[in-house]
Amino acid sequence: AQSVTQLGSHVSVSEGALVLLRCNYSSSVPPYLFWYVQYPNQGLQLLLKYTSAATLVKGINGFEAEFKKSETSFHLTKPSAHMSDAAEYFCAVTRNQAGTALIFGKGTTLSVSS
Amino acid sequence: DGGITQSPKYLFRKEGQNVTLSCEQNLNHDAMYWYRQDPGQGLRLIYYSQIVNDFQKGDIAEGYSVSREKKESFPLTVTSAQKNPTAFYLCATRIRGGTGELFFGEGSRLTVL
Repeated sequence: AQSVTQLGSHVSVSEGALVLLRCNYSSSVPPYLFWYVQYPNQGLQLLLKYTSAATLVKGINGFEAEFKKSETSFHLTKPSAHMSDAAEYFCAVTRNQAGTALIFGKGTTLSVSS
Repeated sequence: DGGITQSPKYLFRKEGQNVTLSCEQNLNHDAMYWYRQDPGQGLRLIYYSQIVNDFQKGDIAEGYSVSREKKESFPLTVTSAQKNPTAFYLCATRIRGGTGELFFGEGSRLTVL
């Protein structure tokens, strides 16, 4: 069965520092992987997705993620944090080969201090 | 504008009352989903529908019901059988044959007093 584990429920960084949010997945089929961002009391917005093309995926707002099959990881990074990056981030994997739904991790809250 | 509209944004109800949350989309997407979000729990799938007049249970369907009479609409009813209904509910859609990404509405926060 597919599953997603996000390591660290809360990550704190200073403005301008590297952002690294960790995601490991388990999948019995070639996965499609996603990162979403959520601001308080809002829906989720897609940051980026991996769909078996390039392993290094670039998304919006300067974020990128690298798919590493050997490590079953899809970590999210941003070279320089901005105050506006403070939000909750979710990693997700397709539920099955038909891709009928997504399975989400429990989320990581990113705090950015000045 | 194209999008997904959830209503109401905030809802308060007394224990034992049924509640219906609305989800309407004009994206012409075939599939629609309901997720429940609780702090520290991530998103959990309640129900989903890939075509009109058909829907499937997700991981936590007990105490919930849905209908899909129109492509544009997928209402969720939280029944009195749901033991802990207070949560943030998110509706999402997906393009048929796409890469699996979901598009989300702004959510509805239900508080049962």
